[in-house]
Amino acid sequence: DTGVSQDPRHKITKRGQNVTFRCDPISEHNRLYWYRQTLGQGPEFLTYFQNEAQLEKSRLLSDRFSAERPKGSFSTLEIQRTEQGDSAMYLCASRPIGQETQYFGPGTRLLVL
Amino acid sequence: SQKIEQNSEALNIQEGKTATLTCNYTNYSPAYLQWYRQDPGRGPVFLLLIRENEKEKRKERLKVTFDTTLKQSLFHITASQPADSATYLCALENSGAGSYQLTFGKGTKLSVIP
Repeated sequence: DTGVSQDPRHKITKRGQNVTFRCDPISEHNRLYWYRQTLGQGPEFLTYFQNEAQLEKSRLLSDRFSAERPKGSFSTLEIQRTEQGDSAMYLCASRPIGQETQYFGPGTRLLVL
Repeated sequence: SQKIEQNSEALNIQEGKTATLTCNYTNYSPAYLQWYRQDPGRGPVFLLLIRENEKEKRKERLKVTFDTTLKQSLFHITASQPADSATYLCALENSGAGSYQLTFGKGTKLSVIP
């Protein structure tokens, strides 16, 4: 257990529905990342927060995706109008200033039917 | 474009032997390289970080080497055990990105056979 938690761990939804995932990072870590991982691939970067500011977004992050980190604590990732191609593991990671290591949560596995 | 390649999708070895995993990269000038372990259905867990000025780093039964001329890192597990069975990912920081985001290889799935 790295100290980063994610909820839910699993989500099954129908195409076209909206889903929201939550990440609680390690409390003193001001940097927070979202990644997406599909079967047989390494994690791919989606977006980055430093405190409450979203400073970087990948081109992978379509307009249907939105992420927030109010008050610089927990973060949410919402996917609107889900598509079957959104099926993946969504990973959250946090990192303190001055360290290179990222601490990953257990992930949320999304299946879009 | 920047690429990270882990040239074995899967590696099977006998218990007690040394496992050697390879990570090659192109179009990076990394200050450091990281290795993570990932078990099925779980997030990656950090194992080791090696800097560009370090040739070798060890942690218990793990050893990592880093050759910036060859653009390659080798990850060794000595006296391997079935509990070492997992997918091992190498990762580099995306150069030029202020977020210090990581770019991962596809991983090598290691199976240690009793």
